Amino acid sequence: SQQGEEDPQALSIQEGENATMNCSYKTSINNLQWYRQNSGRGLVHLILIRSNEREKHSGRLRVTLDTSKKSSSLLITASRAADTASYFCATAEYNNNDMRFGAGTRLTVKP
Amino acid sequence: KAGVTQTPRYLIKTRGQQVTLSCSPISGHRSVSWYQQTPGQGLQFLFEYFSETQRNKGNFPGRFSGRQFSNSRSEMNVSTLELGDSALYLCASSLGADSLNTEAFFGQGTRLTVV
Repeated sequence: SQQGEEDPQALSIQEGENATMNCSYKTSINNLQWYRQNSGRGLVHLILIRSNEREKHSGRLRVTLDTSKKSSSLLITASRAADTASYFCATAEYNNNDMRFGAGTRLTVKP
Repeated sequence: KAGVTQTPRYLIKTRGQQVTLSCSPISGHRSVSWYQQTPGQGLQFLFEYFSETQRNKGNFPGRFSGRQFSNSRSEMNVSTLELGDSALYLCASSLGADSLNTEAFFGQGTRLTVV
């Protein structure tokens, strides 16, 4: 079963704009990770944020985590056409020994 | 350094048959996890292996099984295939034992179609 839910399900923006995706989850977690998937291929790890962290940056990516609201956001700044992909959040829960993925946000960046 | 390699990339099988998928992790990685991805259910965890031992298992029927060899290569097997088993099967490897709390590297997947 899925743990995280991404919002929105789909997002279409122009190149150069910022893209924000949100992820909500249900139970206490050890960490939350964001992955990118290009059209039916493997996933690429973007960022891991631990439950005691509030914000993390990696290049044009910024991830925030609010454990009180059980939510996370992924911000991609100055988006490029190559950022077109599906983005998934994944959580590792305290009581479950597995990683649970959300349904994903499909991002389209128009040149 | 070579990435995670999954073979075959594409597979077509008939209902009732069985199938074996293979995953070679990144050199030095000892943890391998398997996931099923379908349009309806999304990405779902199948199982995780570390040092030839299954550490965790998702909520899948017993028709789904796996194993890991001493060189960390892993195989998963699905017996008595059903149409609903059609999916992209993804393998991921991690460096250490704590795979859920570290970065996972995914292969390109095996797309299985059951007809």
